[in-house]
Amino acid sequence: GAVVSQHPSWVICKSGTSVKIECRSLDFQATTMFWYRQFPKQSLMLMATSNEGSKATYEQGVEKDKFLINHASLTLSTLTVTSAHPEDSSFYICSARDQVGTVVFFGPGTRLTVL
Amino acid sequence: QKEVEQNSGPLSVPEGAIASLNCTYSDRGSQSFFWYRQYSGKSPELIMSIYSNGDKEDGRFTAQLNKASQYVSLLIRDSQPSDSATYLCAVILYNFNKFYFGSGTKLNVKP
Repeated sequence: GAVVSQHPSWVICKSGTSVKIECRSLDFQATTMFWYRQFPKQSLMLMATSNEGSKATYEQGVEKDKFLINHASLTLSTLTVTSAHPEDSSFYICSARDQVGTVVFFGPGTRLTVL
Repeated sequence: QKEVEQNSGPLSVPEGAIASLNCTYSDRGSQSFFWYRQYSGKSPELIMSIYSNGDKEDGRFTAQLNKASQYVSLLIRDSQPSDSATYLCAVILYNFNKFYFGSGTKLNVKP
């Protein structure tokens, strides 16, 4: 199956710093990428949908100025958590859909811990 | 109303039994339906996709879709302890611009 990678797989940072998470589709071109957040023992929550070359569409309640999403190419989307705080500590997962298929593949996730 | 609803469980079945997982969705514009399995601390992995009414079988797994009732289910035959995980139902809406998950059903398969 298609492969989606994320980097880093985990990150620990101090409160107030910004953290960038990369999501790459390795063997296909992803026209649409989705970003999710998952707190312990809770479901995946869709944060935003990004289409290559256009602005991301954010879900209600997600601050677009805090969670900056860039989808500059067909193989790369980035999520930047700006001025991170401890409550932003979570498991962030991206997923990607290719141009032809109707299946969405997930990256392995990035665990963010804000001290 | 949530876009996708699942019973959180846990659902406990003995090894070798059939596990039945259910999911309902609210938007009739939903186009594609998926079942993912997620182990604790890991990212979801795709089990099956289904797009049209009826049953779709893949090994021990059978997905069932009923668009009139807005209902999709997953049957796991000959359940194994390694099947113990959280099973997530997912739905794609409108030209793949929305991809929503249910809250997941935790399955425990007891040896």
